[in-house]
Amino acid sequence: AQSVTQPDIHITVSEGASLELRCNYSYGATPYLFWYVQSPGQGLQLLLKYFSGDTLVQGIKGFEAEFKRSQSSFNLRKPSVHWSDAAEYFCAVGAPYNFNKFYFGSGTKLNVKP
Amino acid sequence: ETGVTQSPTHLIKTRGQQVTLRCSSQSGHNTVSWYQQALGQGPQFIFQYYREEENGRGNFPPRFSGLQFPNYSSELNVNALELDDSALYLCASSSTKQGNSGNTIYFGEGSWLTVV
Repeated sequence: AQSVTQPDIHITVSEGASLELRCNYSYGATPYLFWYVQSPGQGLQLLLKYFSGDTLVQGIKGFEAEFKRSQSSFNLRKPSVHWSDAAEYFCAVGAPYNFNKFYFGSGTKLNVKP
Repeated sequence: ETGVTQSPTHLIKTRGQQVTLRCSSQSGHNTVSWYQQALGQGPQFIFQYYREEENGRGNFPPRFSGLQFPNYSSELNVNALELDDSALYLCASSSTKQGNSGNTIYFGEGSWLTVV
């Protein structure tokens, strides 16, 4: 069965520090992989996505993620965090044959210390 | 701005009542899905509509139903509301046009439903 695990419920980093949010997935084939961000009271904004090709993908707001098939992981990174990055981040897996059915992780809430 | 519009943004209902939530898809998108996001959790897939027909359903009871209209807008209906139905309901749209590799789905900002 498909599933997504985000092992870190909360993460706190200092502004300017680097960030890595972990995501592991379980899927029978190579899935489509996504990271979304959600600010309080808001909907989901797409940060980046991976379908095929280069396993290091660049997204908006300076985020990047690396797909590692051997580890079934798709970790999100940012070299220098800004206070405005404080939000909740969701990793999602989608089936290549079904464009809309996503399985989401439970999210990682990011706090940024000044 | 994703081009996906949901209404109402917030509403409060009483247990046992019925609710209808609406979604206007991004122009040209023929597929819409609905998700339920309970507080502190990730979104859970409810169902998907493609060309006005249900095309996949998650683990939700039949009292959750939907419609998709010829203009691809959509409704989510929930009957016999329960307290646990309190959540953010998200609509997502995309295009399944062949050749559109790397399909992206766009989420609306959601409808907050509180059942009391």
